[in-house]
Amino acid sequence: EIVMTQSPATLSVSPGERATLSCRASQSISSNIAWYQQRPGQAPRLLIYGASTRATGIPARFSGSGSGTEFTLTISSLQSEDFAVYYCQQYNNWPLTFGPGTKVDIK
Amino acid sequence: VQLVESGGGLVQPGGSLRLSCAASGFTFSTYAITWVRQAPGKGLEWVSSISDSGAITYYAASVTGRFTISRDNSKNTVYLQMHSLRAEDTAIYYCAKRNGAVVAGSFDCWGQGDLVTVSS
Repeated sequence: EIVMTQSPATLSVSPGERATLSCRASQSISSNIAWYQQRPGQAPRLLIYGASTRATGIPARFSGSGSGTEFTLTISSLQSEDFAVYYCQQYNNWPLTFGPGTKVDIK
Repeated sequence: VQLVESGGGLVQPGGSLRLSCAASGFTFSTYAITWVRQAPGKGLEWVSSISDSGAITYYAASVTGRFTISRDNSKNTVYLQMHSLRAEDTAIYYCAKRNGAVVAGSFDCWGQGDLVTVSS
């Protein structure tokens, strides 16, 4: 099973600032990674797939990068609605696995 | 595009429950569907996936032999039959639609979730 780790566990950021979230896979997953945002009480929402492709309707302030085992989700200028938990997910191998999440909260 | 889960509730340990995921707004029979669960206050856990035709299924080790995924493309519905339920199966269960043709991948549409509570 591929283990996904995310850092940091919590990221405190001021509105308008840049946020950089990391995800590491225990073995190479090529670019087969997705990022999701989950706000309290809501279902996850797909942000990025294929490591760097924004999903339909996702603002340009969200970007993804990386390949192999190291990946990054960047939010260029945090808006109030961006304070949430972010999960990475690999789909290179079965079982599909998610990282433990990074909570982005208001500084 | 919409997915709506139903069938959740309170069940005793060892009991059974069947979740349904009703889809609308897209050509259901051409997309794989997945169940993902989230225990209270915890992260996301993949549970099971089924191909567009229903011929191919995958299960997490934690549910293999106890859960069965199936679909009825004439009813635009996916099911998750759960047997021998345990306290650790307590979670919100989400169904999610693949945003591509291959079963393994990312999910671009999620239901609102349905809570399953296993307790005596």
